[in-house]
Amino acid sequence: NAGVTQTPKFQVLKTGQSMTLQCAQDMNHEYMSWYRQDPGMGLRLIHYSVGAGITDQGEVPNGYNVSRSTTEDFPLRLLSAAPSQTSVYFCATTVLGGTEAFFGQGTRLTVV
Amino acid sequence: QKEVEQDPGPLSVPEGAIVSLNCTYSNSAFQYFMWYRQYSRKGPELLMYTYSSGNKEDGRFTAQVDKSSKYISLFIRDSQPSDSATYLCAMSSNYGGATNKLIFGTGTLLAVQP
Repeated sequence: NAGVTQTPKFQVLKTGQSMTLQCAQDMNHEYMSWYRQDPGMGLRLIHYSVGAGITDQGEVPNGYNVSRSTTEDFPLRLLSAAPSQTSVYFCATTVLGGTEAFFGQGTRLTVV
Repeated sequence: QKEVEQDPGPLSVPEGAIVSLNCTYSNSAFQYFMWYRQYSRKGPELLMYTYSSGNKEDGRFTAQVDKSSKYISLFIRDSQPSDSATYLCAMSSNYGGATNKLIFGTGTLLAVQP
């Protein structure tokens, strides 16, 4: 029972490159979300999904895309990386209607 | 103004001290109040959860919610070096099905010195 698994753990990108951050869960939770964590800013919601085929924007969605084709997977795509996207990214899952979020270990992304 | 305000610290205390961590918020619709603990280079983990106003105790940890003042607190008694971490408050409302959408404070970095 792995919980929430994020890959990769570390990544360095050049400005303008694209990449996908992977998130997989085996908890059978309907709700999945992506946050970014920056010093002095806390965790900010990027995108979220309430189930397969349904996604919506959070507080800071610009520059990111998501899709949800299965309950288990919720990838986050950076379309054209910018230095402002240097951050630690966390994926989280929750039972729909619940408040206890289970987080992955995070992906540390640096854009140069 | 942010919806949730939290002093980032850092807060350094000696082992055995009582620690008080606080958050204020502006959205009166918040009904669910949580404290997450985050160790260095790890994901946050739920520590305490309170619905609406009142107190909740779990071992050395006590969470308090004062909705009239829009103020929540986490108290740690007999603090230990293993309590050294970042503590994040989080809140959500059930308005429009937003229970799952957690709004986080910036986190307070706590160091307990042996």
